[in-house]
Amino acid sequence: DADVTQTPRNRITKTGKRIMLECSQTKGHDRMYWYRQDPGLGLRLIYYSFDVKDINKGEISDGYSVSRQAQAKFSLSLESAIPNQTALYFCATSDLQGRDGYTFGSGTRLTVV
Amino acid sequence: GESVGLHLPTLSVQEGDNSIINCAYSNSASDYFIWYKQESGKGPQFIIDIRSNMDKRQGQRVTVLLNKTVKHLSLQIAATQPGDSAVYFCAENIQDSNYQLIWGAGTKLIIKP
Repeated sequence: DADVTQTPRNRITKTGKRIMLECSQTKGHDRMYWYRQDPGLGLRLIYYSFDVKDINKGEISDGYSVSRQAQAKFSLSLESAIPNQTALYFCATSDLQGRDGYTFGSGTRLTVV
Repeated sequence: GESVGLHLPTLSVQEGDNSIINCAYSNSASDYFIWYKQESGKGPQFIIDIRSNMDKRQGQRVTVLLNKTVKHLSLQIAATQPGDSAVYFCAENIQDSNYQLIWGAGTKLIIKP
């Protein structure tokens, strides 16, 4: 099994719909992150969580919300999806000191029509 | 790293040659740097890291060089192979930032047969 699992892998949704992307990790790490990647561009941080009770906004949190249900689970929601939220979404996890960097999931490709 | 949101620069290299991918950073308080490889359709994968008290670190076929004087980081890949085709990201950690990584925009490496 993958260390970081994201579901779904692909999703097409309509404008205005609420959608949830899920992430679970088996690394036992406290820290989890949601990133967005647009075609041909780098990663932008949406939200991050350092433990179950600690959730923080990243650089592009508008239009998104998150829930840290457990140490191993961190979900991202789009409250009312819009077409410019069409992107590749990555979940990642890291240990407390960031040693060995982040471990990423395989991504969720979201299309909002 | 370089500003996110820029379109990816591309590096084309002949198979078997060495590749050098560069990254500039701006914060002199950055104390930890990581290189990631992202293959098409996958999440970024950790390649190699280096701490600011070092200027060179070697892995298997990869070497990272850090020049703190000019705030420059490079990733050298020896004897480039088709499987090295990917987007390569540098990421930096700013000291005392609680290990929040700042991501560069990425460089796309294309291997010519």
